[in-house]
Amino acid sequence: EPEVTQTPSHQVTQMGQEVILRCVPISNHLYFYWYRQILGQKVEFLVSFYNNEISEKSEIFDDQFSVERPDGSNFTLKIRSTKLEDSAMYFCASRLTGVVEKLFFGSGTQLSVL
Amino acid sequence: GENVEQHPSTLSVQEGDSAVIKCTYSDSASNYFPWYKQELGKRPQLIIDIRSNVGEKKDQRIAVTLNKTAKHFSLHITETQPEDSAVYFCAAKIQGAQKLVFGQGTRLTINP
Repeated sequence: EPEVTQTPSHQVTQMGQEVILRCVPISNHLYFYWYRQILGQKVEFLVSFYNNEISEKSEIFDDQFSVERPDGSNFTLKIRSTKLEDSAMYFCASRLTGVVEKLFFGSGTQLSVL
Repeated sequence: GENVEQHPSTLSVQEGDSAVIKCTYSDSASNYFPWYKQELGKRPQLIIDIRSNVGEKKDQRIAVTLNKTAKHFSLHITETQPEDSAVYFCAAKIQGAQKLVFGQGTRLTINP
């Protein structure tokens, strides 16, 4: 079965630094997402992206965050100036169309902000 | 917005017994309810889902039931096996929205 891939698997950064998390969604999928999971807590929605624009975002997704699909295969999440509370597992996800609901998650990037 | 509550937070059952995890949702406009299994350090994986036009769905040892009137849905695992040990998350999606709203998770432990 095709998979969503994410790099890196672990990222350690200093507070205030910028980080870019990378994802390659499943190739024929049209909807892309970022979720995050703070250790031991629930999975939280950050943002959805369709047709080269943000279609929905949560209150967590403030001006520090941005997403981009720089080419036909990659989907990135940038955090401009990281804070301690940004430490979490970040999951990229994709789904095929607006009708097919099944969401496929990547293996995640564990971000640690020191 | 939508809010999903999940119970219990931990569940321990003997191998071979059944396990039931329950979720409630707040928004009657929700029409899609998936269940995800997450093993330690791994990605959430969809194990079963149900739409609001169906009351029950089964896939081998796993079943999900939905009560739209009461706004709750449940995951049933029968004949549990050690490999069923994981954290299980329910989620709900409002029709027309993009995001899944997750419950808090249930850590299921199957005791041999």
